[in-house]
Amino acid sequence: AQSVTQPDIHITVSEGASLELRCNYSYGATPYLFWYVQSPGQGLQLLLKYFSGDTLVQGIKGFEAEFKRSQSSFNLRKPSVHWSDAAEYFCAVGAKEYGNKLVFGAGTILRVKS
Amino acid sequence: IAGITQAPTSQILAAGRRMTLRCTQDMRHNAMYWYRQDLGLGLRLIHYSNTAGTTGKGEVPDGYSVSRANTDDFPLTLASAVPSQTSVYFCASSDSAGGGYNEQFFGPGTRLTVL
Repeated sequence: AQSVTQPDIHITVSEGASLELRCNYSYGATPYLFWYVQSPGQGLQLLLKYFSGDTLVQGIKGFEAEFKRSQSSFNLRKPSVHWSDAAEYFCAVGAKEYGNKLVFGAGTILRVKS
Repeated sequence: IAGITQAPTSQILAAGRRMTLRCTQDMRHNAMYWYRQDLGLGLRLIHYSNTAGTTGKGEVPDGYSVSRANTDDFPLTLASAVPSQTSVYFCASSDSAGGGYNEQFFGPGTRLTVL
């Protein structure tokens, strides 16, 4: 079965600093990988996705993520964090073999200090 | 275009009562999903439907039922609510026509409290 681990429950960074949120998945074949963001009291918005091809994917709001098959990772990065990036971030994995279902990580809450 | 709407926005419910959470999408997506979100657990799939007329169980289906009479609507019913069903519930949809894999779009959520 698929599983997703986000090892950091909370992360605090200073505005303007770089950010990396970790995501590790467990699945035998090539997965489909997603990062979603949830602002307080809101639904989830897709930041970026990886299906195939270039392992470095660009998303909205200046985010990027890199798929590393050897490490079973799909870490999310941003070179310079803005206060508006404070939110909860979820990594998710899907696979054709499991239909259209997604498995989500527990989430990482990002706090941005000025 | 509204995308996905959910109703109610929030609800306080007495234990043992029956409750239906409504979800409607206007994107003509064939697949729809219900998740619950709990602190420290992320989102967990309750039930899903790959197309109108079919449904399937997700990771945490006990105590919940769904129906998919048409493409647009996917209601979630709690037949007899219990306090452990206190959660935030999200409905989502995706276009899976042709066997492809596409992103899921999420509704704004329903915050349910069972006392």
